[in-house]
Amino acid sequence: QITLKESGPTLVKPTQTLTLTCSFSGFSLTTPGVGVAWIRQAPGKALEWLALIYWDDDKTYTPSLNSRLAISKDTSKNQVVLTMTNMDPVDTATYFCAHASVIIEGLYIYKWFDPWGQGTRVTVSS
Amino acid sequence: DIQMTQSPSSLSASVGDRVTVTCRASQNIAGHLSWYQHSPGKAPKLLIYAASRLQSGVPSRFSGSGFGTDFTLTINSLQPEDFATFFCQQSFSNSFTFGQGTKLEIK
Repeated sequence: QITLKESGPTLVKPTQTLTLTCSFSGFSLTTPGVGVAWIRQAPGKALEWLALIYWDDDKTYTPSLNSRLAISKDTSKNQVVLTMTNMDPVDTATYFCAHASVIIEGLYIYKWFDPWGQGTRVTVSS
Repeated sequence: DIQMTQSPSSLSASVGDRVTVTCRASQNIAGHLSWYQHSPGKAPKLLIYAASRLQSGVPSRFSGSGFGTDFTLTINSLQPEDFATFFCQQSFSNSFTFGQGTKLEIK
């Protein structure tokens, strides 16, 4: 059974750097076709994908936040860390991590997120 | 960026009804679309991936269809536990964007 759990501060001040940890079990981030993604949801807003790290250490970020985000993995600890610099009140949201699957079928590469963690709420306020 | 537009943004239905949610991509994404169900305070749950493939353990009353730019999530015979918000998500490029969500409420 795959499980993921997010952890980190519940309150950060504007301009500070947010560091979130996703601790997971039930899979290895060295297995081909596996990744871990970060997604957030601001109050009353849609889900927003932030970053994804793959088994081969390839990383991808949402373009609008690319300069502020960094994702890394520690395979020995089964953890993925997301850092977001220069936090602003608009970054107040629930942050989720999720297991990502990648399969290749002919010309197509399918990707999806499942399962997800329960999320951790982060408030940005002075 | 590929934009995903869902409709309707909200929907009222009764237990036993059949409902349809649509998702339109701003460009051709082939079959690179997933559907998720999200209830308040819970982790989002994958329902459909690759546009039409039912995730293991998801009831067969959920189905997905579509290819290219237009996609549909259908729920047959609504059950009380189905009332939630549904999101589509594209994964065509090495980037992932979600629709704005469709809130399904009990009539």
